[in-house]
Amino acid sequence: RKEVEQDPGPFNVPEGATVAFNCTYSNSASQSFFWYRQDCRKEPKLLMSVYSSGNEDGRFTAQLNRASQYISLLIRDSKLSDSATYLCVVNMGGTGGFKTIFGAGTRLFVKA
Amino acid sequence: SQTIHQWPATLVQPVGSPLSLECTVEGTSNPNLYWYRQAAGRGLQLLFYSVGIGQISSEVPQNLSASRPQDRQFILSSKKLLLSDSGFYLCAWSFTGVTEAFFGQGTRLTVV
Repeated sequence: RKEVEQDPGPFNVPEGATVAFNCTYSNSASQSFFWYRQDCRKEPKLLMSVYSSGNEDGRFTAQLNRASQYISLLIRDSKLSDSATYLCVVNMGGTGGFKTIFGAGTRLFVKA
Repeated sequence: SQTIHQWPATLVQPVGSPLSLECTVEGTSNPNLYWYRQAAGRGLQLLFYSVGIGQISSEVPQNLSASRPQDRQFILSSKKLLLSDSGFYLCAWSFTGVTEAFFGQGTRLTVV
């Protein structure tokens, strides 16, 4: 089982749609969680951290369910500029200390 | 503020040749450092991570190696490249193992 698993996608949605991405992780001792965005042929950049209480940043809402080991990202009122790959990220313990593990990513295409 | 430098941006190397990619971080001390590889159309695979000078944890056995000769320097090496080593190599750093990671701009390696 992969340490971090995401919906494979791609998601093709019209502008203005609401889209949700899901992610599960295998290590129950994982400490922190993030969503990153990666544009084509670029490095990933932090979109938002994910907190147990849930958190919102404009049109983006992230949620964490530790009991189910599940993370989600909701994008409301999608824009063309939201087209990108969204990566679920988990920090978990390893032999050499905590390590940052990325999911394979879910591609989002927002169409006019 | 902290910055991360990774070079070169692109590299074309023949099969069997050696490799050395360098990454340096400025503006912080004792960062966690990471090397990831991303094959075309795929997710990020953690190759190595380091919590301190000389401390390297390997995630995937292969013909690559990493070294951390100084606190803010992380080097990815190979003695003999394979075709399968082609990909997008990304260096990243974090304050600790549980905070978000920040990426360099990546090196696109093509082995021919």
